[in-house]
Amino acid sequence: EVQLVESGGGLVQPGGSLRLSCAVSGFTLSDHYMDWVRQAPGKGLEWVGRTRNKANSYTTDYAASVKGRFTISRDDSKNSLYLQMNSLKTEDTAVYYCARYTYGSEDYWGQGTLVTVSS
Amino acid sequence: QSVLTQPPSASGTPGQRVTISCSGSSSNIGSNYVYWYQALPGTAPKLLIYKNNQRPSGVPDRFSGSKSGTSASLAISGLRSEDEADYYCAAWDDSLSGRVFGGGTKLTVL
Repeated sequence: EVQLVESGGGLVQPGGSLRLSCAVSGFTLSDHYMDWVRQAPGKGLEWVGRTRNKANSYTTDYAASVKGRFTISRDDSKNSLYLQMNSLKTEDTAVYYCARYTYGSEDYWGQGTLVTVSS
Repeated sequence: QSVLTQPPSASGTPGQRVTISCSGSSSNIGSNYVYWYQALPGTAPKLLIYKNNQRPSGVPDRFSGSKSGTSASLAISGLRSEDEADYYCAAWDDSLSGRVFGGGTKLTVL
């Protein structure tokens, strides 16, 4: 059974940093692209970024709103995906989801972890 | 302001057919596949339709997707109370080099 479990969310001050983790099971992480998607309170879904699979050299893409501040990484040996978030802003407050990306779609999602950026 | 435009709300009575629209541009819907997701209250999104009109296994055939030009639609027939959820469309945008989502449509079953 495919499972994704996010962790690492919490309260952080503006300008601070936070690292989210996503533990996956039920599939071979190195074979798959992985996405981070967020949802601000009362708002819709917003794509944060993507890491491609081993065959595509683990390259990454980011949304313009987070480029230069957020970094996606992965450790396939630990079946884990990460989102390092620096220079956080109040508008980064959201539930952050990791999702497996297969053949053009996010086919499995985690339950999400809440990040609150506030002083 | 989302790149893909959806109506904020839709409604129907049990048994009815409802459609949800998703409008984009030549750089997203016009040149790439459209995907639809269902988010039940308090839960993570679930893939409903992929590659414009394909259903993953387990998704009832009451759900169908279509695309024409720079617009797409999700149709739900035989509406049921458990269909009450938020629905999102998504596509890749070649100009932005990123994934874009619609703002979401809240479906109410009256």
